Amino acid sequence: ETGVTQSPTHLIKTRGQQVTLRCSSQSGHNTVSWYQQALGQGPQFIFQYYREEENGRGNFPPRFSGLQFPNYSSELNVNALELDDSALYLCASSPPVHPKVNYGYTFGSGTRLTVV
Amino acid sequence: RKEVEQDPGPFNVPEGATVAFNCTYSNSASQSFFWYRQDCRKEPKLLMSVYSSGNEDGRFTAQLNRASQYISLLIRDSKLSDSATYLCVVNWAAGNKLTFGGGTRVLVKP
Repeated sequence: ETGVTQSPTHLIKTRGQQVTLRCSSQSGHNTVSWYQQALGQGPQFIFQYYREEENGRGNFPPRFSGLQFPNYSSELNVNALELDDSALYLCASSPPVHPKVNYGYTFGSGTRLTVV
Repeated sequence: RKEVEQDPGPFNVPEGATVAFNCTYSNSASQSFFWYRQDCRKEPKLLMSVYSSGNEDGRFTAQLNRASQYISLLIRDSKLSDSATYLCVVNWAAGNKLTFGGGTRVLVKP
């Protein structure tokens, strides 16, 4: 069983550019969530995808967008990069939703984005 | 007020000692609770879920107090390898987003 994989592992971009980060979910997991973790802080929820539809969004501007594909993999796109977008971007996958049981999520190792 | 709050620490702990720390949450409708461990520059990893009756996993004990809206983590017989940041995580409803605290840093020293 493969875990959650993210690519690239590191990335340096210039302010104003656009970036696409990728995530392959763990086998059998159909829900993917994206988090942003700034240095010294806890991860902040960006959005979640379930069955290729956005299923909840955190307090992030529209220039943060995403996609989920039929194989449950996902992309996070950020347009018009700002210096404050520099962070570790984490993808987490989880099994099909159970009405009463909440499984802990499995995180990928993240993409460290630096905006200069 | 933050949704999930933690003492950032660091908690400096002698090897073999016991350390405990709490996390408070603001949403009384919270349903699920977890402790994650995060090593420096690595991804968070699930340490344990927290159940209403409290639960133990080896040297780790988690407690939930719904009335006062806090959860706790206790580590017994601390090992050097327990040095990490411990993230308190709350979920309002099954399948929904996880809300993280800022983390509590624990440093176990010889």
